[in-house]
Amino acid sequence: NAGVTQTPKFQVLKTGQSMTLQCAQDMNHEYMSWYRQDPGMGLRLIHYSVGAGITDQGEVPNGYNVSRSTTEDFPLRLLSAAPSQTSVYFCASSPGLRTEAFFGQGTRLTVV
Amino acid sequence: SQQGEEDPQALSIQEGENATMNCSYKTSINNLQWYRQNSGRGLVHLILIRSNEREKHSGRLRVTLDTSKKSSSLLITASRAADTASYFCATAPPFGNEKLTFGTGTRLTIIP
Repeated sequence: NAGVTQTPKFQVLKTGQSMTLQCAQDMNHEYMSWYRQDPGMGLRLIHYSVGAGITDQGEVPNGYNVSRSTTEDFPLRLLSAAPSQTSVYFCASSPGLRTEAFFGQGTRLTVV
Repeated sequence: SQQGEEDPQALSIQEGENATMNCSYKTSINNLQWYRQNSGRGLVHLILIRSNEREKHSGRLRVTLDTSKKSSSLLITASRAADTASYFCATAPPFGNEKLTFGTGTRLTIIP
């Protein structure tokens, strides 16, 4: 099993550009989440999904969209990148709502 | 907003010593989890302790939970250089669809 796979690992965007961060898991987990990690702030939840076709907002959803058309994939879309979105983004999946989470290796995004 | 807060923010100890880090949280929980993050990598789940448990062991890890004080501690015994990492606590709420909420982490450095 590959676990949780995120692509790309690194990305530089110009302000105003859009892009999609990919996340795929092969563990058949119902629950998937996106977090961003900033220095001194820990991980903050952006969006999450409790199953295919169901998504909801987390703590910092503004400027991001998600969709969940399959159990395996949970892409995160930046609509119009801003320097404040410079961060490291982590995707996670879990078998249950309150069980352990499995994390991808992260995407380091820089918006200039 | 952060649910968990780790203390200390940074800790340096000699190899072979024990390392203790603490986590305080604000609201009721279903369980509390500890994760490790090596530099530039994703988070890795270490241990989960449920709200009705007081202590749990896993190898060189010992976790305690005091729900009356809303606090938990992670003890790493006989530390090794490979234990150098950031450690995060995460709390799972008792109900609803809310996901894990992470603290800001403790940066542990083991000096060989």
